[in-house]
Amino acid sequence: AQSVTQPDIHITVSEGASLELRCNYSYGATPYLFWYVQSPGQGLQLLLKYFSGDTLVQGIKGFEAEFKRSQSSFNLRKPSVHWSDAAEYFCAVGVLGGADGLTFGKGTHLIIQP
Amino acid sequence: DAGVIQSPRHEVTEMGQEVTLRCKPISGHDYLFWYRQTMMRGLELLIYFNNNVPIDDSGMPEDRFSAKMPNASFSTLKIQPSEPRDSAVYFCASSLGQDRSTDTQYFGPGTRLTVL
Repeated sequence: AQSVTQPDIHITVSEGASLELRCNYSYGATPYLFWYVQSPGQGLQLLLKYFSGDTLVQGIKGFEAEFKRSQSSFNLRKPSVHWSDAAEYFCAVGVLGGADGLTFGKGTHLIIQP
Repeated sequence: DAGVIQSPRHEVTEMGQEVTLRCKPISGHDYLFWYRQTMMRGLELLIYFNNNVPIDDSGMPEDRFSAKMPNASFSTLKIQPSEPRDSAVYFCASSLGQDRSTDTQYFGPGTRLTVL
């Protein structure tokens, strides 16, 4: 069975600074990888996804993520964060893309300092 | 498109009562998923359907939980009887399920359930 680890429960970043959120997965083959964001009281919004091809994927809101097979990682990055980026971020893995249940990490809570 | 619709958004009930959560997936989506989010366990899959047929219900915690999808535009998750440990946010999601390279699960706003 697949699993996802997000090592950082909380991360605090100053507004305008760069951001990297870590995600490691465990699966026997190359999985489908996703990053979702959840604002307080809201549902989950897809930031980006990786299925195959270019290992650097671009998403919405200026986010990008890089798939590294050798490290079983799919870290999320943003060059300059905004106060509105404060939210909970979830990394997820799926075996069949959108056609089966996703396995989520526990999430990373991002705090933005003024 | 209105997105995935869930109702109610908030539910407060007493232990032992029956609770029914409702979901309307995005029109044309063939897959529907129910997830539960708690502080202790995070987000976990409960059950999912393909073309109204349950495919995997291994995540349903116990017999008190049941889910149905009577047609392509409606699903329910029922808890009977409810217990305080069922308190959580329940999310519904849907996807097309036709092309793995582009497919995505779209989530509803969730139902926050509190069992007293």
